[in-house]
Amino acid sequence: DIQMTQSPSSLSASVGDRVTITCRASQGISSWLAWYQQKPEKAPKSLIYAASTLQSGVPSRFSGSGSGTDFTLTISSLQPEDFGTYYCQQYNSYPLTFGGGTKVEIK
Amino acid sequence: EEQLLESGGGLVQPGGSLRLSCAASGFTFSINAMSWVRQAPGKGLKWVSTITSSGGNTYYADSVKGRFTISRDNSKNTVYLQMNSLRAEDTAVYYCAKDTNFDPWGQGTLVTVSS
Repeated sequence: DIQMTQSPSSLSASVGDRVTITCRASQGISSWLAWYQQKPEKAPKSLIYAASTLQSGVPSRFSGSGSGTDFTLTISSLQPEDFGTYYCQQYNSYPLTFGGGTKVEIK
Repeated sequence: EEQLLESGGGLVQPGGSLRLSCAASGFTFSINAMSWVRQAPGKGLKWVSTITSSGGNTYYADSVKGRFTISRDNSKNTVYLQMNSLRAEDTAVYYCAKDTNFDPWGQGTLVTVSS
């Protein structure tokens, strides 16, 4: 199974800060990586697929990069509505696996 | 707008069964794989199962293999998850999602396994 390791597990940042979340796969997954945002008591929402392609309607302050085993989600200028937990997920092979999540809080 | 709507969750005793349904709208259901993902209370996301567009191939997490069965009815734009021999550790919100890079997601349905 491919293990997905996210870091940090939580962070607190101010509005306007640049925020970076990393995700490492235990083996190469090419660009078969997605990022999700989940707010409390809500279903997850897809932000990015294919490592760097923004879903329609997602603000351009979100971006993704990486390939192989190392990936990054960046929020260029954190906004109050960006609080929540962020998950990476590989869809290179079964079983599909998620990272443990990164909880983002606004200072 | 692409939408998914789950139903069928509830309280069930250990060893019992439950069937979840997920009705899709706003996209061509028959050409997309469909998946189930669950989230135990206070925990992260865990993939459960995926079925290919025709239903010809199915995939399961080891934790549910042999107990859960995914199926679909393309004439009804609906995917199902039959859950048998339920355990306390199956307690979770169950989401259906389109494809294997999950988008969109349904709102989720809560399954509670408890005596």
